[in-house]
Amino acid sequence: AQSVSQHNHHVILSEAASLELGCNYSYGGTVNLFWYVQYPGQHLQLLLKYFSGDPLVKGIKGFEAEFIKSKFSFNLRKPSVQWSDTAEYFCAVNANTGRRALTFGSGTRLQVQP
Amino acid sequence: ETGVTQTPRHLVMGMTNKKSLKCEQHLGHNAMYWYKQSAKKPLELMFVYSLEERVENNSVPSRFSPECPNSSHLFLHLHTLQPEDSALYLCASSQVGTGVGETQYFGPGTRLLVL
Repeated sequence: AQSVSQHNHHVILSEAASLELGCNYSYGGTVNLFWYVQYPGQHLQLLLKYFSGDPLVKGIKGFEAEFIKSKFSFNLRKPSVQWSDTAEYFCAVNANTGRRALTFGSGTRLQVQP
Repeated sequence: ETGVTQTPRHLVMGMTNKKSLKCEQHLGHNAMYWYKQSAKKPLELMFVYSLEERVENNSVPSRFSPECPNSSHLFLHLHTLQPEDSALYLCASSQVGTGVGETQYFGPGTRLLVL
């Protein structure tokens, strides 16, 4: 069975600081990888996704993530965070086997202080 | 209305009540999902419907009963729930069978409190 680990449960940053949120998954086969964001009071929104090709993917609002297959990682980055980035971030994996369910990490709560 | 909608947004029910959660997707997708988001736990898949057939039931207790009458609508019927069933219930949809990875789009959720 696949699993997803997000090591940072709560991150507090000042505006303009750089962000990196860790995500590791366990599955030996081909995977599809996602980062979702949940802003306070809002629903889960797709931030970015990786299916194949260039392992560095760019998403909305200046976020990017890098898939490193050898490390089973898909870390999320942003060079300069804003107060509006305060939200909960979820990494998710879908094994490319036909089972369609997403397996989610436990989430990282990001708090950006002005 | 666009995207995935869910009603009601908030629900309080007693353990002997029967209620239903409704989800509607306006994206033309052919697969729908129920997830449960509990405090301090990762989102957990409950059910998957693909082309209106249930293709996955993730060991969910029988007090939760899904229904998918067509590709746009998904229900979750609730009866004799327990307080530990209090959670945010999320609906999602995706387009399957395209040959590439599928993206799931989520609704706002129904926050359920069982007393």
